[in-house]
Amino acid sequence: NAGVTQTPKFQVLKTGQSMTLQCAQDMNHEYMSWYRQDPGMGLRLIHYSVGAGITDQGEVPNGYNVSRSTTEDFPLRLLSAAPSQTSVYFCASSYSTEPIYEQYFGPGTRLTVT
Amino acid sequence: AQSVTQLDSQVPVFEEAPVELRCNYSSSVSVYLFWYVQYPNQGLQLLLKYLSGSTLVKGINGFEAEFNKSQTSFHLRKPSVHISDTAEYFCAVSEPDTGRRALTFGSGTRLQVQP
Repeated sequence: NAGVTQTPKFQVLKTGQSMTLQCAQDMNHEYMSWYRQDPGMGLRLIHYSVGAGITDQGEVPNGYNVSRSTTEDFPLRLLSAAPSQTSVYFCASSYSTEPIYEQYFGPGTRLTVT
Repeated sequence: AQSVTQLDSQVPVFEEAPVELRCNYSSSVSVYLFWYVQYPNQGLQLLLKYLSGSTLVKGINGFEAEFNKSQTSFHLRKPSVHISDTAEYFCAVSEPDTGRRALTFGSGTRLQVQP
């Protein structure tokens, strides 16, 4: 199993550009989520999904969209990039719909918005 | 609303010395507690978790943590650290009875093990 994969590893955007961060898992996990990690702030939840077709907002959803059309994929879309979205983004998944069970994290995408 | 405070942003320690990383949480309902570790340029990996039962929880790599409900703490300990334990450690909390399907993370503690 590849586990949780994320692409790209690095990305530089100009203010106002849009892009999609890809996340895929091959463990048939129901629960998937997106976090952003900023220095001194830990991880903050952006959006999560408990199954195909079901998504919900986390702590910092503004400026991001998600959809879940398959169990395997959970892309994160930045609609109009802003410098405040410069961060490291992590995707995670869990076999249960409850995140209390072990979450498996991808290697991250480092995004810089200039 | 739940919150997690990790009292130390950095903890330097010599190899083979004991270490304690502190975590306090704020919640008015029952909680589940977690410690995750992040090695440089990698994602997070679960070290251990407390869901119920014994308040002393043992995890991977020789780490353990103790849940103290009265002090709302979940401190992480290791009796003898190795250079390879150098990493960032995150405490996290979940409130299972609220229906909120999310973890709240602390700001992290960077453990620096020196030879």
